[in-house]
Amino acid sequence: GQQLNQSPQSMFIQEGEDVSMNCTSSSIFNTWLWYKQDPGEGPVLLIALYKAGELTSNGRLTAQFGITRKDSFLNISASIPSDVGIYFCAGQGYTGNQFYFGTGTSLTVIP
Amino acid sequence: DAGVTQSPTHLIKTRGQQVTLRCSPKSGHDTVSWYQQALGQGPQFIFQYYEEEERQRGNFPDRFSGHQFPNYSSELNVNALLLGDSALYLCASSSTGLLTDTQYFGPGTRLTVL
Repeated sequence: GQQLNQSPQSMFIQEGEDVSMNCTSSSIFNTWLWYKQDPGEGPVLLIALYKAGELTSNGRLTAQFGITRKDSFLNISASIPSDVGIYFCAGQGYTGNQFYFGTGTSLTVIP
Repeated sequence: DAGVTQSPTHLIKTRGQQVTLRCSPKSGHDTVSWYQQALGQGPQFIFQYYEEEERQRGNFPDRFSGHQFPNYSSELNVNALLLGDSALYLCASSSTGLLTDTQYFGPGTRLTVL
């Protein structure tokens, strides 16, 4: 199945710094979702995007649906220790109901 | 508002055995999707159930089968277990018919095959 390319693979940042990560696909998507997953737990939905160019915020998190419909971006401002985890993007195409997931970005916040 | 629930939390089986995992969707949701997540990987789509039928299937063998009940809950069955089936199995629920599709995940079932 299709795999989304997510970068960077891992990040080590100081508390208070901003974080940026992105996800790219070879196919056009009509929906992008961003999740955070803690070890041994299920992914928790952070932000959902449904229109090209859409910019949506959830507290310190901001995500954008790329204009080309083949990419999406997630930014975290003023990182805190509880931001630690693995962030996944997921995209849904125009044919079918399946969501394809990215490879994940592991975030470590150093106090 | 109850979220997605899954049972059991953990399971240990031996090769060749069969296993059944269960999922109850979020209140108001009628669609259930199952994913397999190997260690260090993103979730991989197994299949999706809606109106008690398999609506879409990913690239998984027939050893993986499922069922959806009238109350929208769902089961994932895996036969003839292999060592490679060890993974976190995730259930996600959504509501078909909405203009926008958003999936919410349960906590997962950790399956270990020895």
